[in-house]
Amino acid sequence: GDSVTQMEGPVTLSEEAFLTINCTYTATGYPSLFWYVQYPGEGLQLLLKATKADDKGSNKGFEATYRKETTSFHLEKGSVQVSDSAVYFCALKTNTGNQFYFGTGTSLTVIP
Amino acid sequence: EAGVAQSPRYKIIEKRQSVAFWCNPISGHATLYWYQQILGQGPKLLIQFQNNGVVDDSQLPKDRFSAERLKGVDSTLKIQPAKLEDSAVYLCASSLAYRGRVEAFFGQGTRLTVV
Repeated sequence: GDSVTQMEGPVTLSEEAFLTINCTYTATGYPSLFWYVQYPGEGLQLLLKATKADDKGSNKGFEATYRKETTSFHLEKGSVQVSDSAVYFCALKTNTGNQFYFGTGTSLTVIP
Repeated sequence: EAGVAQSPRYKIIEKRQSVAFWCNPISGHATLYWYQQILGQGPKLLIQFQNNGVVDDSQLPKDRFSAERLKGVDSTLKIQPAKLEDSAVYLCASSLAYRGRVEAFFGQGTRLTVV
């Protein structure tokens, strides 16, 4: 079945460090891919998305490219800030039944 | 636009009691989802509605969980009787689901503690 495998955390980085969180997926057809972010005590917020192969989603300095050949959607940011501390979830949406499948989440802590 | 509204935000009940959660999706969103998020894990789909019809409830523990979406707008999720392992955050999400607007929007969730 469709699924998402996400890099396990927790991840701790110093401010201004480079961030990569790995995400790979298994799906039939051509799903849409997402990164959601969850701050403590809150629901999930959409960070970025890509709906077809080679699309690059970007927002707030974060980027991820939909790589069909490697079935990946890795999240990157060139210089993290303390305010980026949160849990990040990779997700896919099937193009048939519109179901969303989430990874297990990666906790990021950025220290000054 | 207003976001997805959920209530209550927090609920503490004893095992074997019943509990209900309410969700009001974004206006015009035909697809509504209920997810269960256990601490330290990703959200797990419980049930998906398209308007007021069920699309997927394959992971809903139907012996104790039930959900409805009357008139294709608001939805309620009920647990009866609750077990200790039901302690989790219950998230409601809605989606327009047409080309270019594929993302789901989430409410703040209801944190359930079963003691």
